Amino acid sequence: ETGVTQTPRHLVMGMTNKKSLKCEQHLGHNAMYWYKQSAKKPLELMFVYNFKEQTENNSVPSRFSPECPNSSHLFLHLHTLQPEDSALYLCASSQARGTSGANVLTFGAGSRLTVL
Amino acid sequence: AQTVTQSQPEMSVQEAETVTLSCTYDTSESDYYLFWYKQPPSRQMILVIRQEAYKQQNATENRFSVNFQKAAKSFSLKISDSQLGDAAMYFCAWGSEKLVFGKGTKLTVNP
Repeated sequence: ETGVTQTPRHLVMGMTNKKSLKCEQHLGHNAMYWYKQSAKKPLELMFVYNFKEQTENNSVPSRFSPECPNSSHLFLHLHTLQPEDSALYLCASSQARGTSGANVLTFGAGSRLTVL
Repeated sequence: AQTVTQSQPEMSVQEAETVTLSCTYDTSESDYYLFWYKQPPSRQMILVIRQEAYKQQNATENRFSVNFQKAAKSFSLKISDSQLGDAAMYFCAWGSEKLVFGKGTKLTVNP
């Protein structure tokens, strides 16, 4: 079992629903990330948190709302999504930004999101 | 723009044979890292190998090795003695703190 756990593994939602993705890491890392993986496209970095503080938002639409209550947990709140938001959402963690281990990412198994 | 290009969308190899996956990248920076990640059908991305750009020696991890050509901005992955469990998507990535990923190469291993 991975040190980064994502739930749910699969999620189907309508465009008017509100749902959340959860990520939890047990590695003692202090940086956490959300990535979007779509077919035939490179991974897209969405958000970065370092010691619970958001340090990066790559122009992600406001219908995606991240939350990081502590260094071990990361959420992605979803509301009024579009069908093109259907993708695999990957969570990752690493040692704190600014350290030598910051670029070694440990990924979860992802949450497959389908928006109808 | 900083980009990573994997020119082979799909590759196949016979079990026990050797296969090389290609990756090129574009950057003006001199100090960075390069990575190969593996994503099997279970979907979890797993780090295969990491190379520091300032190191001349090519990184090796058991059956996995890289051919790093800094001047050519090339970073290929060689898998020796391929096994059925090596079948996966392989992603090349470049970066220091922020990683830029390629689109991936799907590797099939034939028994």
